[in-house]
Amino acid sequence: QQQVKQSPQSLIVQKGGIPIINCAYENTAFDYFPWYQQFPGKGPALLIAIRPDVSEKKEGRFTISFNKSAKQFSLHIMDSQPGDSATYFCAASMRNNQFYFGTGTSLTVIP
Amino acid sequence: GAVVSQHPSWVICKSGTSVKIECRSLDFQATTMFWYRQFPKQSLMLMATSNEGSKATYEQGVEKDKFLINHASLTLSTLTVTSAHPEDSSFYICSARDRTGAPVKLFFGSGTQLSVL
Repeated sequence: QQQVKQSPQSLIVQKGGIPIINCAYENTAFDYFPWYQQFPGKGPALLIAIRPDVSEKKEGRFTISFNKSAKQFSLHIMDSQPGDSATYFCAASMRNNQFYFGTGTSLTVIP
Repeated sequence: GAVVSQHPSWVICKSGTSVKIECRSLDFQATTMFWYRQFPKQSLMLMATSNEGSKATYEQGVEKDKFLINHASLTLSTLTVTSAHPEDSSFYICSARDRTGAPVKLFFGSGTQLSVL
């Protein structure tokens, strides 16, 4: 059973657009929600993360929106650039520190 | 953020030989590291959990005699692909849990592309 469901599988936007990647979970024991960015041939890199006590976190052009009641969280990339083209993974972890990953979203930003 | 170093970044070997991949946590101690396999344009597939000083825990379907894991110190885990065959060709990635703060964070190595001829 997939603990974290991620959509869409792929996404194409024009430069300057705002791609949105969505994730949903069921287990309310999750208390940490990181996003990872992976470029081809590289390992995933921690991009931004949020805890369920806040509804939004912003770091530069990247924003996480968190809806605790809906058990959903999403990544927004403002003013997207071709250099943002990568695969993005959402994840969730709980007190036992096991991490569960979404299936990934391949983002392409067209110049 | 914390750094996890993975080496080598790519390796080509002949069928039947063994290949060792190293994963080091450079600025934190990691009692637990994870090994993943990733096929092109696909998600991370957890292979095993490496625990310092004890045996690794393998996911269902992963051959423990094929993929030997050793976690001899708090900063080093190794994955050895024994008697490699072309079907073992893949991108292997390690990760390590950084417990020096809350919440516990997970950092990844840069990956190893294995090509078996």
